[in-house]
Amino acid sequence: AQTVTQSQPEMSVQEAETVTLSCTYDTSESDYYLFWYKQPPSRQMILVIRQEAYKQQNATENRFSVNFQKAAKSFSLKISDSQLGDAAMYFCAYRSNGGGSNYKLTFGKGTLLTVNP
Amino acid sequence: DGGITQSPKYLFRKEGQNVTLSCEQNLNHDAMYWYRQDPGQGLRLIYYSQIVNDFQKGDIAEGYSVSREKKESFPLTVTSAQKNPTAFYLCASSRGRTETQYFGPGTRLLVL
Repeated sequence: AQTVTQSQPEMSVQEAETVTLSCTYDTSESDYYLFWYKQPPSRQMILVIRQEAYKQQNATENRFSVNFQKAAKSFSLKISDSQLGDAAMYFCAYRSNGGGSNYKLTFGKGTLLTVNP
Repeated sequence: DGGITQSPKYLFRKEGQNVTLSCEQNLNHDAMYWYRQDPGQGLRLIYYSQIVNDFQKGDIAEGYSVSREKKESFPLTVTSAQKNPTAFYLCASSRGRTETQYFGPGTRLLVL
C-alpha cells in the first residue's frame, strides 16, 4: 500500500520570504500523480498544485512550485514571497494512475504553516 | 457558479440515531467521494461513486452508507453502527475517477 509522510508537523515563515514543505511517499508504481492541497481555517480543501510522475519538469503555479525527485520519492512544495493568506494546513497526497485503486487519494498528516507579519 | 455544496455545516447526532450528510455538485462530474478527517490526521476515504447507481467502499466504510440516485447528489448516512462518528466530513468530485478531485466546504459531525 502507498504511504505519504510529511515529517514537519509545523513550519513558520516571515511574510515575503520563502518556505519549503517536505513530503516523501512510498510506492512500487511508476505512473501516479502527486498533489498539494491547502486547508485554511475555513477547512475547505483547496488544490494548490499537481505533478504527473511521468513528467520530468517540476510543476509551478504562480508563487508555488514543487521539487519532484522521483528516484528519491520526494515531493516538496516551495512557497515564494509568502503572504498572510498562505497560512494553512498543507497536505501532500498521492494517487495511482493505474490498476484498480486509481480513484483513491492517499494523504499525509499535514504541515501547519504559520506566516508571521 | 459551479461548485460543491455540503449541508449542514454542523450536525449533532444522538446515541442510536442515523444522520445524513448532504453533498451536491453542479460541475457535471461523474465521480464523487466521501472522506473523513480526524484531528491531526489526513483524510481517509469512506465511499466513492464512479457513476450513477454505482458506489464502492473505501478504506473505512463500516458504519456508513451512501446512495447515488442522481449525478449531482451523493448523500452519506452515518448509522448507529458507527461508534466513533465525531469528525469532519468532506465530499469531493472529479470528472472521472482518474481526474483531479475538488472538495466541498465540509460538515462537522458531533455526538451529543
